[in-house]
Amino acid sequence: EAQVTQNPRYLITVTGKKLTVTCSQNMNHEYMSWYRQDPGLGLRQIYYSMNVEVTDKGDVPEGYKVSRKEKRNFPLILESPSPNQTSLYFCASSFSATSPYEQYFGPGTRLTVT
Amino acid sequence: AQKVTQAQTEISVVEKEDVTLDCVYETRDTTYYLFWYKQPPSGELVFLIRRNSFDEQNEISGRYSWNFQKSTSSFNFTITASQVVDSAVYFCALSGGNFGNEKLTFGTGTRLTIIP
Repeated sequence: EAQVTQNPRYLITVTGKKLTVTCSQNMNHEYMSWYRQDPGLGLRQIYYSMNVEVTDKGDVPEGYKVSRKEKRNFPLILESPSPNQTSLYFCASSFSATSPYEQYFGPGTRLTVT
Repeated sequence: AQKVTQAQTEISVVEKEDVTLDCVYETRDTTYYLFWYKQPPSGELVFLIRRNSFDEQNEISGRYSWNFQKSTSSFNFTITASQVVDSAVYFCALSGGNFGNEKLTFGTGTRLTIIP
């Protein structure tokens, strides 16, 4: 089944404790992206990747890191989480980085930073 | 800069009524794409439709229909004969003009509640 998976789905952590949210897709998609969803703000892009080893900042990259060592994986890293990073996070992938095909979204990761 | 406005924060209708969700967008690109996504209470994002800027034909899919009007920069979504399962948050989104970054610019969403 074609899908985007994220782990964990729920996470409660404390300020400053490094964490990684994994994202994996099995559709051989070139393009992957991370969004965060906050009430009243919709979804905003954090980082994106056009292909392996190619990543760039989205609209709200502060406090986040990403890597794309393999085509299927695009982990989101919070080196020192803070309470303002409490949010619902979505990973997305798309067939091509050069045309806005449908983006497939993962199930979401609800992160709480205390 | 691109912007998507969904002025209706919350809408409630009684089951079987028709309901229209409004979406107004801003972009300076001549080529762009518009999307609607549904987010049910379970939280996942479900793709509903993609429409490119050169195709102004309205689209119908079962009880769903979309009205794209370039002249007013709107891409409205109508649900006919609403059902309880339609209760969700609906997002309108825009993409285009960011070659290599197919970022979706989302509106803030409309929470639709269908009352049985």
